[in-house]
Amino acid sequence: QEQLVESGGGVVQPGRSLRLSCLASGFTFSSYGMHWVRQAPGKGLEWVAIIWFDGSLKYYADSVKGRFTISRDNSKNTLSLQMSSLRADDTAVYYCARDRGRVAPEDLDYWGQGTLVTVSS
Amino acid sequence: QSVLTQPPSVSGAPGQRVTISCTGSSSNIGAGYDVHWYQQLPGKAPKVLIYGDTHRPSGVPDRFSGSKSGTSASLSITGLQAEDEAHYYCQSYDSSLGLHVVFGGGTKLTVL
Repeated sequence: QEQLVESGGGVVQPGRSLRLSCLASGFTFSSYGMHWVRQAPGKGLEWVAIIWFDGSLKYYADSVKGRFTISRDNSKNTLSLQMSSLRADDTAVYYCARDRGRVAPEDLDYWGQGTLVTVSS
Repeated sequence: QSVLTQPPSVSGAPGQRVTISCTGSSSNIGAGYDVHWYQQLPGKAPKVLIYGDTHRPSGVPDRFSGSKSGTSASLSITGLQAEDEAHYYCQSYDSSLGLHVVFGGGTKLTVL
């Protein structure tokens, strides 16, 4: 069964960096695009970034462009999000999610349980 | 402010039918991009309910259905049950900012 498990969340000071990881299992990780989506406390879903199945293309939300970097290691079935210059408004639960599409992006059909990032001094 | 507009809340009694709208523009839904719907129960990760405008993943009851017309889409839930009380989000893609995933602001469904 498909499973995504995020890790790396925690409390970090404004301006510092943090790296999130997502370990995939139960499916051929290298065949699917992957996303990061976040949800601030009590708020709605906000898309963060997408990476193509082979890492060839990456897109970011304007709110994180230039500060966050999405990457993947298909040999280790791992998706990562390197976050730098963190701000208070980056505080959220961060979910990794699989894209159903194999040729073009479609829906996000499997989600992890999320990892909480709190940016606070 | 979300690119896709949803009503903040809807409600209905058990057994009734409710509809949640999702309004976009010519650069997202109106451009022909598929609309997907997610259900998020309290404290849980979102789960896809409808993908590709109208398709239900296996395991999703046929009480849930999706439709799309022009720059808008809708999620309908018939035979409302207490367990349907959750937040619902629509999602599509937008080409005005490169390739961006866009979500609606979410709708809280209350079963009276």
